[in-house]
Amino acid sequence: DAGITQSPRHKVTETGTPVTLRCHQTENHRYMYWYRQDPGHGLRLIHYSYGVKDTDKGEVSDGYSVSRSKTEDFLLTLESATSSQTSVYFCAISESGLAYEQYFGPGTRLTVT
Amino acid sequence: DAKTTQPTSMDCAEGRAANLPCNHSTISGNEYVYWYRQIHSQGPQYIIHGLKNNETNEMASLIITEDRKSSTLILPHATLRDTAVYYCIAQDVNTNAGKSTFGDGTTLTVKP
Repeated sequence: DAGITQSPRHKVTETGTPVTLRCHQTENHRYMYWYRQDPGHGLRLIHYSYGVKDTDKGEVSDGYSVSRSKTEDFLLTLESATSSQTSVYFCAISESGLAYEQYFGPGTRLTVT
Repeated sequence: DAKTTQPTSMDCAEGRAANLPCNHSTISGNEYVYWYRQIHSQGPQYIIHGLKNNETNEMASLIITEDRKSSTLILPHATLRDTAVYYCIAQDVNTNAGKSTFGDGTTLTVKP
C-alpha cells in the first residue's frame, strides 16, 4: 500500500469552529488531492496541489483552504465548519498526475454538530 | 470529461464472472476509460484503464466497444471480497488526475 496517512481519522466538532485535517505521504509524490464523499455518492474534488506551495481549486472548494509547505504534507482547513461539511474526507497522491496512478488514504470522518 | 452512466447496483454469484457495464457515449478521442473500486469505507483503489483496445491485468479485464461509447469491466471469478462500489471514469489523458469526476458508481454485491 502507498504510504499515505490521514489525521485525525475521526473528528466531531461544533459549527463555527475551524478544523484542520492532515494528509501525510512517504512516497515523495508531486501531486496531492483532497476529496469529500457524502453518503451514497462518489468523490468530489475540493482542492489539489501540484507541488510545494502550488495549489488549485476543485469543484467544491468554497469554505475550504489548503496549504502545502513541504512535499509530504497537505493540510485541509475548514475555516468555519458548517453541518453541510459533515462528510468523509479522502486524501490522494499521484506521482505523475495521471488518474490511474492515484493512491488514496484511509479517510477522515468529520462530523459537524 | 465525458459523463459516464452506470447501473446503481448489481448482484453476482460467488465464483461467477461479474460484468459491470458503463456508458460513455460522449467520450472523445483523447479520453481514457478508468475503473476504480471502493470497498466499504476505504479509499478508492485503481483497477484498470484503457483507450481503445481491450485490457487485462491481474485484477480484471476491460472490454471497450469499437465505437468507444461503452465498456464493460469483467471480474472473471468474483469473490465475496469483490463486493464494493465500482466507478467508471472517462478522462482526457492530458488532464490532471484531480479533475476526475467520480459519479455514484455501481454497487456490486457478490453472494455466496
